[in-house]
Amino acid sequence: DAGVTQSPTHLIKTRGQQVTLRCSPISGHKSVSWYQQVLGQGPQFIFQYYEKEERGRGNFPDRFSARQFPNYSSELNVNALLLGDSALYLCASSFTDRTNQPQHFGDGTRLSIL
Amino acid sequence: EDQVTQSPEALRLQEGESSSLNCSYTVSGLRGLFWYRQDPGKGPEFLFTLYSAGEEKEKERLKATLTKKESFLHITAPKPEDSATYLCAVQAGGSYIPTFGRGTSLIVHP
Repeated sequence: DAGVTQSPTHLIKTRGQQVTLRCSPISGHKSVSWYQQVLGQGPQFIFQYYEKEERGRGNFPDRFSARQFPNYSSELNVNALLLGDSALYLCASSFTDRTNQPQHFGDGTRLSIL
Repeated sequence: EDQVTQSPEALRLQEGESSSLNCSYTVSGLRGLFWYRQDPGKGPEFLFTLYSAGEEKEKERLKATLTKKESFLHITAPKPEDSATYLCAVQAGGSYIPTFGRGTSLIVHP
């Protein structure tokens, strides 16, 4: 069975541009979460979605937005990119949002801002 | 505010030299503690979940234990392929969102 898939794997943008990252969860998983991981740090929570509804939001500016589609895939959008947005963006899926079962991660999108 | 602290930040071992990684947490109402392994350029790979003090889980050379204040990841007779960053995450209180530590970077020399 396919795990969590993310696209693209790498992306290079310049300051001020906008970017869209995509995620497909494990089959049967209805919740998707997004994380930002800066080099040398643990993943920082950005958003969680379940059944197309936002169920959680981390401490990130409004430049960050996301949505979930009827097939449970998800997109993360970042506007007005800053140098500090350079990071590995991870998507994780789980059966539901309210579960103490582990989340399963994709391999991420490496975003570089020039 | 919940906190998850991992130590050491980095650990270098010789092949076969057993050691332990620590994850200490200050939370109210632990729901679960998760260990992940992350290879360079990859996403975290799930290893273990622990739910209550006294619980232990084992997989090959890895053994995870949990107390009321901390968790240990014991690595017995490590091999070079065990080299990776090991992340600890805690889920607690009214939130189901896990909070991650900064990780321990493990290098095992042949």
